[in-house]
Amino acid sequence: AQSVAQPEDQVNVAEGNPLTVKCTYSVSGNPYLFWYVQYPNRGLQFLLKYITGDNLVKGSYGFEAEFNKSQTSFHLKKPSALVSDSALYFCAVRAPYNTDKLIFGTGTRLQVFP
Amino acid sequence: GAVVSQHPSRVICKSGTSVKIECRSLDFQATTMFWYRQFPKKSLMLMATSNEGSKATYEQGVEKDKFLINHASLTLSTLTVTSAHPEDSSFYICSARLGAQSSYEQYFGPGTRLTVT
Repeated sequence: AQSVAQPEDQVNVAEGNPLTVKCTYSVSGNPYLFWYVQYPNRGLQFLLKYITGDNLVKGSYGFEAEFNKSQTSFHLKKPSALVSDSALYFCAVRAPYNTDKLIFGTGTRLQVFP
Repeated sequence: GAVVSQHPSRVICKSGTSVKIECRSLDFQATTMFWYRQFPKKSLMLMATSNEGSKATYEQGVEKDKFLINHASLTLSTLTVTSAHPEDSSFYICSARLGAQSSYEQYFGPGTRLTVT
């Protein structure tokens, strides 16, 4: 069965420092991977996706993620964190033969301190 | 582009009453919409997949008679929580898929906070 794991409930980082939010996945076949961000009392906003192609995917707001097939990971990164990046981040996976469902990780709260 | 709205943004109702939540795709047609429920500090739980012009597909454990879903047009899906009880209080989020030719990402509405007293 497809699954996604976000091992960290919370990540704390100082403004200006690089940040990484971890995600590992387990799927049959090639994965379609996504990152979403959620601000308080809001829906999710799409950040980026990996379907095929370059392992390094660039997305919105300066975020990027690296697909690593051997480690089954899709970690979210940003070279220089902003206080405004503080939010809840979700990794999600969709198996290619299931055209509808997204399976979400449990979320990681990113706190960027000034 | 790809904006999804939800109405209302928050609603308080009394136990035993029914509440309808609307999900609209504002600038695109969505043959498929999804309804999620999010508990505090928890991930999203897919409740059902709503297909335009056909019956919704419910996830295991979701009561279809309690959570009525209607997808009457390509831009509107509704979720009706019937005979609501305090345990139904939650944050309900809808999403819409851009279409079969897209890269499968879903676009999410801003969510509806339901409080049942």
